[in-house]
Formats: sequence, structure tokens, C-alpha cells
Amino acid sequence: DAKTTQPTSMDCAEGRAANLPCNHSTISGNEYVYWYRQIHSQGPQYIIHGLKNNETNEMASLIITEDRKSSTLILPHATLRDTAVYYCIVTFNQAGTALIFGKGTTLSVSS
Amino acid sequence: DTAVSQTPKYLVTQMGNDKSIKCEQNLGHDTMYWYKQDSKKFLKIMFSYNNKELIINETVPNRFSPKSPDKAHLNLHINSLELGDSAVYFCASSHTNRDEQYFGPGTRLTVT
Repeated sequence: DAKTTQPTSMDCAEGRAANLPCNHSTISGNEYVYWYRQIHSQGPQYIIHGLKNNETNEMASLIITEDRKSSTLILPHATLRDTAVYYCIVTFNQAGTALIFGKGTTLSVSS
Repeated sequence: DTAVSQTPKYLVTQMGNDKSIKCEQNLGHDTMYWYKQDSKKFLKIMFSYNNKELIINETVPNRFSPKSPDKAHLNLHINSLELGDSAVYFCASSHTNRDEQYFGPGTRLTVT
């Protein structure tokens, strides 16, 4: 079973920031928080990951609370192409570890 | 250039047949995976290989057999196909020391 809890769906206006929350209250000290997304009919796409510090890359920012029990993925300026299912996954940072996908959050960006 | 590729993209076949899905990655990764996404859109791990050795073998019927001829390829062979095998199968790869997985475009298998 997935070790994370996410809202089923969220809406966002184009050009606005999309803030996607994730709860992972049972995360262990050496587990990372990963975010992936799946645009309709495509393979999942890696977005960002972090351990305890906030992270930013060209796609998004990841804010992890100090107690590491929750995090927020931020898409600073959402576009229509960001409409997708977003998955928050807690996992060890080592190759061969299976990603345990939950139901994710369906983000709908509209104009 | 396609990083992780799968062939075929679509596969329609009849019950009882044997079929294979091929996966290739040109990222220089050491680890490759097969995931299955069913009609309810749940993604589940099936297998993972690291340097051609099996690491993960989830509770998958032994009709499914992965084969890794080299680090860049992980093929999935399915014997005696059943209706319940209909799904989208995704291949993925990652570097040895990192868990960022890169997925292929998927193979939609339909068993009639």
C-alpha cells in the first residue's frame, strides 16, 4: 500500500501557482519524497525529490515540513499542459526500489 | 532521441497466445523495471533488474517472464495470455545509485 495521502483532485487556473499537498506521516529517516506525474496515456514523468530540505528545479519546487510528515509540490505558473495525475511517493533513494504508486491527485488546469 | 522505448505500442491478441514486449534504454542506466497499469489506472511494479540480475519479482503469475539480454534491454514475455492481462505495461530505468526512474511510453495490451 502507498504510504502517502493526497487529495483526489484539484483545480487551478492557468498562470496561477498550483500547490499540491501530500501527507506521509509514517516516513522513516532515510526515505525520500518523490513526485511524479502522468499526463494522459503517457508514461509517468519524474518531477522532483527531496529528503528534508526544500528543493527547486526547472519544473517545480518541493517544500517539506520540518517534521517531514508532509510536503507540498508547487508548480509556480501552471499551464494547460500541466493537467495530469500527480503522485507523491515515499521511497529509499536506491536503484531497484519499486515505486509504490497511490491514486495520486488529478490536477486540472483551465484557462 | 528516445530515452526509454518500448515496442510495440499497441498489442491486440487472443487468449492463449504467447507474446513479448521489448524495452530498450539509451541512458546508460543499470537498473530496469516493468510496471503494469490496470483499467483502474493503478500502477504496480512487476519486476526490476540490476545489471541483468533480478532484484524484484512481485506476486506475478509465472506466465510472465522477464529477460534481460544486456543492461540496455529488458523484455517481457507472457505465455498463455488471459483476459485479465489486458493493461498498459510500462518499462522504466534508473541509475544504480539513484531512484529517479524514467518511463517508456507504454504498451497497451488487449487480450480478446
